[in-house]
Amino acid sequence: NAGVTQTPKFQVLKTGQSMTLQCAQDMNHNSMYWYRQDPGMGLRLIYYSASEGTTDKGEVPNGYNVSRLNKREFSLRLESAAPSQTSVYFCASSEVNVGGPGANVLTFGAGSRLTVL
Amino acid sequence: AQSVTQPDIHITVSEGASLELRCNYSYGATPYLFWYVQSPGQGLQLLLKYFSGDTLVQGIKGFEAEFKRSQSSFNLRKPSVHWSDAAEYFCAVGGTNKLIFGTGTLLAVQP
Repeated sequence: NAGVTQTPKFQVLKTGQSMTLQCAQDMNHNSMYWYRQDPGMGLRLIYYSASEGTTDKGEVPNGYNVSRLNKREFSLRLESAAPSQTSVYFCASSEVNVGGPGANVLTFGAGSRLTVL
Repeated sequence: AQSVTQPDIHITVSEGASLELRCNYSYGATPYLFWYVQSPGQGLQLLLKYFSGDTLVQGIKGFEAEFKRSQSSFNLRKPSVHWSDAAEYFCAVGGTNKLIFGTGTLLAVQP
């Protein structure tokens, strides 16, 4: 019962480099999310996927792309990393499709700490 | 605009003492309200949720929260804090397609 698994846990990039954060869930959840967490700002939604094959922008999507590869996997890509993207990134999933209160009952991964120099 | 305010950035309590963490929200419709907890180096875990009905909700680890519509508040309480409760606590309000999180309250527990 792994839940939500994120890789890598830590990454250091130089400005302009690209990378992909991987996320997989084994709970057969429909919806998946990417958040970033910054000191004093709580968690902010980057992108979400209500179901396999769909993705939508959240609060802070600029500089990111996502792919919902299948029902289990939802990746986040930084095409050209910037120091402002230094953050802790969390992937989450929910059983209920977006649109109902149950969609807000999220299971989180342990996080990926990204530093951009 | 929808928002969540947690006015206390840091709180320190003694083990065995009672705890109340404050949360105020701004939301146009009936809110769905949540408290999540984050232990160091971990992801967030759901403590409790309010969708409708009884305004006093019970959660895991002995926590409870009370929804007060007139005060736009959803404060988290625990009658006796344990050292293992040291963590960061996030209040959140749920909308149609996303959660809006507060900035968190970091709880320290003194022996």
